[in-house]
Amino acid sequence: EVQLVESGGGLVQPGGSLRLSCAASGFTFSSYWMNWVRQAPGKGLEWVANIKEDGSKKYYVDSVKGRFTISRDNAESSLYLQMNGLGVEDTAVYYCARDSSHLIWGKYLDSFDYWGQGTLVTVSS
Amino acid sequence: AIQMTQSPSSLSASVGDRVTITCRASQGIRNDLGWYQQKPGKAPKVLIYGGTNLQSGVPSRFSGSGSGTDFTLTISSLQPEDFATYYCLQDYDYPRTFGQGTKVEIK
Repeated sequence: EVQLVESGGGLVQPGGSLRLSCAASGFTFSSYWMNWVRQAPGKGLEWVANIKEDGSKKYYVDSVKGRFTISRDNAESSLYLQMNGLGVEDTAVYYCARDSSHLIWGKYLDSFDYWGQGTLVTVSS
Repeated sequence: AIQMTQSPSSLSASVGDRVTITCRASQGIRNDLGWYQQKPGKAPKVLIYGGTNLQSGVPSRFSGSGSGTDFTLTISSLQPEDFATYYCLQDYDYPRTFGQGTKVEIK
């Protein structure tokens, strides 16, 4: 059974740092791109970052570039999000999500097919 | 960044109704679009990927159509468990962007 379990959320002061973790099990972690998606209280979904299977490529939404760093440890089947310089606008539930590629008529089509339960990050003084 | 505009932002419908939600991209995204369902306090769940492909295990009353800039999610006969918020997501370019969501409520 595929499982993604986030941890590391909590209350942090503005300007502070936090490291989120996502422990994966039930699949070959090193074969999948992985994503972080967040949702501010009462708001919609926002994609934050993703990382290639071997960690060689990383992409970020503009609002977190230079402050957040996505990484992974394939030996530990774990995904991370290091968050520095946190602001109140970063308050959200953070989800990790697996990115699956489906080969359909010769083209790869993606979906976020498994998600964790989320971990809440609250930035407040 | 590619903007994804969903409409309507909310709708009220009855069990058995046919429901249609649209998503418009600010530029062409081929068919690189997925639809996700989210219930309160839960993680999103993928329904459709590649614009039209039903995710394994998702009921066939859900269908997706469209290509380029205009996409549609249709629920052919709304069931009680379908009351939720629905999001489109483009995976054509970075940053990935979601629509703002459509809340489907009970009439």
